[in-house]
Amino acid sequence: GENVEQHPSTLSVQEGDSAVIKCTYSDSASNYFPWYKQELGKRPQLIIDIRSNVGEKKDQRIAVTLNKTAKHFSLHITETQPEDSAVYFCAASIKTGTASKLTFGTGTRLQVTL
Amino acid sequence: DGGITQSPKYLFRKEGQNVTLSCEQNLNHDAMYWYRQDPGQGLRLIYYSQIVNDFQKGDIAEGYSVSREKKESFPLTVTSAQKNPTAFYLCASNGGGPHLRYNEQFFGPGTRLTVL
Repeated sequence: GENVEQHPSTLSVQEGDSAVIKCTYSDSASNYFPWYKQELGKRPQLIIDIRSNVGEKKDQRIAVTLNKTAKHFSLHITETQPEDSAVYFCAASIKTGTASKLTFGTGTRLQVTL
Repeated sequence: DGGITQSPKYLFRKEGQNVTLSCEQNLNHDAMYWYRQDPGQGLRLIYYSQIVNDFQKGDIAEGYSVSREKKESFPLTVTSAQKNPTAFYLCASNGGGPHLRYNEQFFGPGTRLTVL
């Protein structure tokens, strides 16, 4: 099955700096890559996603890049703010029969300090 | 954040008991999913369902059972066979159909299960 690895597990940046989180996946059939933000005790919320036919996508301070050949994708957050502090999960989606299964990375705890 | 609800928010279970977690959605989504999240870890897929009366095992189905009698509902039963059930359980749904693989999964608020 699919395997998703995520690094780093923790990341501390100063307010205003950039943060980068990296993920790799194993199954070349994966074709959809969402990123979720989860605050303590809350549900994951989608912040950005990218499809396999696109190399980069940007939404304000957040961007995601995908390298299909190397099977890795990254989340970039610029001008970080304290409210960006949370756990971020990457995921890869593979179509299995008629369903879509998400395999998640183990998460990155981002701490934005003042 | 309406649309997909889970109950209860907190659940305590004695060892040897079965418990059922509720998941309901009014988004008219075809597909529904159950995930388990342990502290400091990602989400792992327990079961998923594409349509009514159909469901498939995920990566960690042992000790769990599900049913899908209605499109809106996908309850999860944690049986006594699940040796370490204490975790945060999240239900999700998405649109299904031929474009399913590109559809965002929407999550419920979760149920935190603790075995006493």
